[in-house]
Amino acid sequence: NAGVTQTPKFQVLKTGQSMTLQCAQDMNHNSMYWYRQDPGMGLRLIYYSASEGTTDKGEVPNGYNVSRLNKREFSLRLESAAPSQTSVYFCASTWTSGVGELFFGEGSRLTVL
Amino acid sequence: AQTVTQSQPEMSVQEAETVTLSCTYDTSESDYYLFWYKQPPSRQMILVIRQEAYKQQNATENRFSVNFQKAAKSFSLKISDSQLGDAAMYFCAYILTNAGKSTFGDGTTLTVKP
Repeated sequence: NAGVTQTPKFQVLKTGQSMTLQCAQDMNHNSMYWYRQDPGMGLRLIYYSASEGTTDKGEVPNGYNVSRLNKREFSLRLESAAPSQTSVYFCASTWTSGVGELFFGEGSRLTVL
Repeated sequence: AQTVTQSQPEMSVQEAETVTLSCTYDTSESDYYLFWYKQPPSRQMILVIRQEAYKQQNATENRFSVNFQKAAKSFSLKISDSQLGDAAMYFCAYILTNAGKSTFGDGTTLTVKP
């Protein structure tokens, strides 16, 4: 049982480049989330999807877009990367939004030069 | 907006002893969940314990227990019989029930001394 899978695990970008972080879960969860974790800080919510077909902004959505492709997959796109987006990104899922435990992926370390 | 405060950036404990990590939060909601997550150097987020706000009984999971004081908006984590493997960053988190809103504290780094 893979749980929550994120790709890529590591990525280096130049300022202005674009990229997409992929996330997939195999637990039949309804809700999925994208967080970022900066050094010495907790996780901050970028976007979430309470259910298939819906997405909502979190605490720090600027510079990002998301797509809930289907129930399993939730992608995060950086259209024009900036050094301030250097961070570790986590995808998470749960059965129903705000109910129960969040299951996390292993994280993706993104560096923007 | 909800806030979660972990006032102890670093804590240390001797192996086999007990340590308590503090967490306070601020919310006007009544229905929510609280969690403690552990993040070892591997970066993986691991659930330690969770507490539903409507339950008055404090949650326990083996050596881990919480002191949940809803009126005071306090949610501390007690680790008994500390082990070397407990060394990690610990995050307190608040999640609003049936909504996507979640807030994490900035974490407490726990060191376990042999």
